Amino acid sequence: EPEVTQTPSHQVTQMGQEVILRCVPISNHLYFYWYRQILGQKVEFLVSFYNNEISEKSEIFDDQFSVERPDGSNFTLKIRSTKLEDSAMYFCASRPVGESGELFFGEGSRLTVL
Amino acid sequence: AQSVAQPEDQVNVAEGNPLTVKCTYSVSGNPYLFWYVQYPNRGLQFLLKYITGDNLVKGSYGFEAEFNKSQTSFHLKKPSALVSDSALYFCAVRDGAGRRALTFGSGTRLQVQP
Repeated sequence: EPEVTQTPSHQVTQMGQEVILRCVPISNHLYFYWYRQILGQKVEFLVSFYNNEISEKSEIFDDQFSVERPDGSNFTLKIRSTKLEDSAMYFCASRPVGESGELFFGEGSRLTVL
Repeated sequence: AQSVAQPEDQVNVAEGNPLTVKCTYSVSGNPYLFWYVQYPNRGLQFLLKYITGDNLVKGSYGFEAEFNKSQTSFHLKKPSALVSDSALYFCAVRDGAGRRALTFGSGTRLQVQP
């Protein structure tokens, strides 16, 4: 069964460093998302991406964050200058065409900022 | 705006007993409603969804949910709980009229005792 894959599974970084989290969505999906979850709590929406542009973003997704689809398969989340409060589990998700489809989530990338 | 409320942080039930995990929602248009389950250190797994049609929807692992428009609720149910159902459950909503991303509730931890 096709799945969303994320790398790395865990990254430890120093405050102020740049981090790139990578995702390979399911191949025929057209909508891509990043969510984050702090300490097993609420799942918070960051950004959605469709047709090579951001379609929606939350107030969390400030100028420190960016997303990119550099090729036909990868979807990346970049945090330019990490802060302690960026420590979280980051989930990538994708969805096929059609408004009623559910999101398919990856296993997550745990980011620890020291 | 769209929002989801899961009023219970934790639900405890004995194995073999029926379980209910509560969810209420708020959207401006017709709701698309989803339930996801998260096991420790894992991503979110889709359980079931309501888009339109029959108010009682059936999903994976014997779970079902009932859409109640007048009460704006979408409670998750299972007739007979298993210890292996112990996990974190998230309700999510999206306004079907737009292209908004899913908004998740705060999650309910289900603990099934043997």
